[in-house]
Amino acid sequence: AQSVTQLGSHVSVSEGALVLLRCNYSSSVPPYLFWYVQYPNQGLQLLLKYTSAATLVKGINGFEAEFKKSETSFHLTKPSAHMSDAAEYFCAVSGPGGSQGNLIFGKGTKLSVKP
Amino acid sequence: EAQVTQNPRYLITVTGKKLTVTCSQNMNHEYMSWYRQDPGLGLRQIYYSMNVEVTDKGDVPEGYKVSRKEKRNFPLILESPSPNQTSLYFCASKQGGGTEAFFGQGTRLTVV
Repeated sequence: AQSVTQLGSHVSVSEGALVLLRCNYSSSVPPYLFWYVQYPNQGLQLLLKYTSAATLVKGINGFEAEFKKSETSFHLTKPSAHMSDAAEYFCAVSGPGGSQGNLIFGKGTKLSVKP
Repeated sequence: EAQVTQNPRYLITVTGKKLTVTCSQNMNHEYMSWYRQDPGLGLRQIYYSMNVEVTDKGDVPEGYKVSRKEKRNFPLILESPSPNQTSLYFCASKQGGGTEAFFGQGTRLTVV
């Protein structure tokens, strides 16, 4: 069965600092991977996705993530944090084949940005 | 406009009173899912559907029912709600493979 582990339920950074949110997946075959963001009192919005093309994926708002098969990781980064990045971030996995429509989420990482 | 519509957005009900949360999508997506979001637990899948009349349990199906009689609709039914079903619920739809899932705005349910 597929699963996702997000290391760190809370991450705090200063404005302008590097953002690194960690995600590791478990899958028997190369999966599809996603990062979603949830701003307070809102639904979920797609940041970026990996679908077996380029291993370095660029998303919206300056975020990017790198798929590393050897480490089964898909960490999210942003070079310089903005106050507006404060939100909860979710890593998710879906598989090829029969489970391709089934999206499984990690527990989320809440990002705080200090002035 | 492509969207997933959930209703109601907010609901307070009493223990044991049957309720239905509706979900409708206008993108002709095959896959639809229900999730519940609780602090510290992320989004946990309740049920999902791969097509009309095809549904399967997710991680936390107890106390919930779903149906998929039409491709666009995927209602979530709580036959006898209990306080531990107080949560924020999201409906989502997607096509297969590496496509993006689209989410509704959420339904905040309180069972007293």
